[in-house]
Amino acid sequence: GAVVSQHPSWVICKSGTSVKIECRSLDFQATTMFWYRQFPKQSLMLMATSNEGSKATYEQGVEKDKFLINHASLTLSTLTVTSAHPEDSSFYICSATLYRDSYNEQFFGPGTRLTVL
Amino acid sequence: GQNIDQPTEMTATEGAIVQINCTYQTSGFNGLFWYQQHAGEAPTFLSYNVLDGLEEKGRFSSFLSRSKGYSYLLLKELQMKDSASYLCAVMDSNYQLIWGAGTKLIIKP
Repeated sequence: GAVVSQHPSWVICKSGTSVKIECRSLDFQATTMFWYRQFPKQSLMLMATSNEGSKATYEQGVEKDKFLINHASLTLSTLTVTSAHPEDSSFYICSATLYRDSYNEQFFGPGTRLTVL
Repeated sequence: GQNIDQPTEMTATEGAIVQINCTYQTSGFNGLFWYQQHAGEAPTFLSYNVLDGLEEKGRFSSFLSRSKGYSYLLLKELQMKDSASYLCAVMDSNYQLIWGAGTKLIIKP
């Protein structure tokens, strides 16, 4: 159980276009989802916390108008990279929180590799 | 500020034992996680510690000392497939994960 999917797995786009990435919790409901970005040989960088039914909370330095997050249901959050540029090329990973008895566990999607030409 | 420290890279031999250390300074503590991440893939959960002591799960064990702000991941009977990055993450008082930079583990035959 506790599977998180992401779509697409990889995408190549031209500079200036917008790209939408979907994150779904397949067998559980996730009130909270997180979006991360990971550059090569670096650790995960939290971009934003996505809460169902409310606005996302962005980390310092992350442009909310550029990275649009919509958490429309308890099983779906989307990240849209607007007007993508080559510097936005990265590995984007989402995670969903499952509340267990004694702790919150994050389950990660497989990631989306974005390449902007 | 919040800080997670772990070695950048470690090398070990197949069949041996390796210990990956993690020290942390965070605003609040709601548990420490270890994740494994193979190149080009998302992290997968290995262990969770919130109380002091050792948690054993098969070939992997994780230890926590809250008073020292210290944890380690112990991998026994190393296999080539264990070559990966190992990420230490602490959940702070806001229930957000603070991530270490990861330790790249190289296994040699």
